Amino acid sequence: GIQVEQSPPDLILQEGANSTLRCNFSDSVNNLQWFHQNPWGQLINLFYIPSGTKQNGRLSATTVATERYSLLYISSSQTTDSGVYFCAVPSNTGTASKLTFGTGTRLQVTL
Amino acid sequence: EPEVTQTPSHQVTQMGQEVILRCVPISNHLYFYWYRQILGQKVEFLVSFYNNEISEKSEIFDDQFSVERPDGSNFTLKIRSTKLEDSAMYFCASRLDGGTEAFFGQGTRLTVV
Repeated sequence: GIQVEQSPPDLILQEGANSTLRCNFSDSVNNLQWFHQNPWGQLINLFYIPSGTKQNGRLSATTVATERYSLLYISSSQTTDSGVYFCAVPSNTGTASKLTFGTGTRLQVTL
Repeated sequence: EPEVTQTPSHQVTQMGQEVILRCVPISNHLYFYWYRQILGQKVEFLVSFYNNEISEKSEIFDDQFSVERPDGSNFTLKIRSTKLEDSAMYFCASRLDGGTEAFFGQGTRLTVV
């Protein structure tokens, strides 16, 4: 099946700093989603981004499908950005398009 | 904005007991999913459901698991005889027929003691 790797696995930032999280996938995809898992374990949809660039406030994401990667940018980080960030791509097998999640980047933003 | 809702948010159960996790998908969605996340690990696919039947399941989804859409709005995951290793976050998701974006609920934390 498709492999999804994220880097870095862990990241510690001071409040106000910027960061870039990366998601690499092993096969061509027609869809990619970014999620933030908050400290309570809830999964928050951030972006649905099959290709191109999207922005939502301090967050933006870029997917280059032809090169099989996506980037999530966090600018002016805040302590509420802490948590784990996952990317997920659909499996190309079966009709139900289950998502395969990446390994995650654990972000800690400190004061 | 429509959302997927899951209940309860946290459930504690004794080993060997049956549990039912409940989900209300977005109303016009036709594909439904359950995913599981063991603490500290990544989110894993369990099962997908379409047109009132399972369309795909992972090797995790063995005979102790079952899913059902008992009415027009609910989608449930039943674990017949819980084990300690079933302790995890369980996420429900749904999507439109023909769509590619999946919408996730906030999760149910299951603790088996």
